[in-house]
Amino acid sequence: EAGVAQSPRYKIIEKRQSVAFWCNPISGHATLYWYQQILGQGPKLLIQFQNNGVVDDSQLPKDRFSAERLKGVDSTLKIQPAKLEDSAVYLCASSFLQRGAGEQYFGPGTRLTVT
Amino acid sequence: AQTVTQSQPEMSVQEAETVTLSCTYDTSESDYYLFWYKQPPSRQMILVIRQEAYKQQNATENRFSVNFQKAAKSFSLKISDSQLGDAAMYFCAYRSGSGANSKLTFGKGITLSVRP
Repeated sequence: EAGVAQSPRYKIIEKRQSVAFWCNPISGHATLYWYQQILGQGPKLLIQFQNNGVVDDSQLPKDRFSAERLKGVDSTLKIQPAKLEDSAVYLCASSFLQRGAGEQYFGPGTRLTVT
Repeated sequence: AQTVTQSQPEMSVQEAETVTLSCTYDTSESDYYLFWYKQPPSRQMILVIRQEAYKQQNATENRFSVNFQKAAKSFSLKISDSQLGDAAMYFCAYRSGSGANSKLTFGKGITLSVRP
């Protein structure tokens, strides 16, 4: 079974530029998550999708971050314009079950450096 | 809001020895789940072990076991017979058992090194 795929793996941009990340979840997983992991901290949820609908985006900085999950499969996360404090690893995860003890499977992440 | 605290930033263990990683959490809920995730230097996070709050029996997965103390809100991970491949960051995480939101709340993590 293929895992969660993410691209690119690394990205370096200057502040005020735009960037987009792509995620392909495990086939059949209806729930998709984007997390931000700043160096030295645990991941923090940015947005959760159930199929193509948003369940939780309370911690997404909506003035600069946007995300979509067209057709309920792949998802893209965009930052426009980027700030220095956006430097982090962006992790995508998916799960079969929305609730309960269901495991979340993580992708390898995209390491973003904003200079 | 739920919080997860991992107060030890780093730990070291000799190969083949046993190590315990600590985690405490704060919640007012009675239905929830606790997890330990491992993140090796390649950065792909993988699930190590999970515990349902309603279960009194501590979860065990091969060399990994937990000590779940619900009243004390403590959830420690014990790694027996440590191996070099166990070196990684370990995150304790909490998930509510109710509601539509199934997000994980993570602690800051602990870096475990294994000495050969």
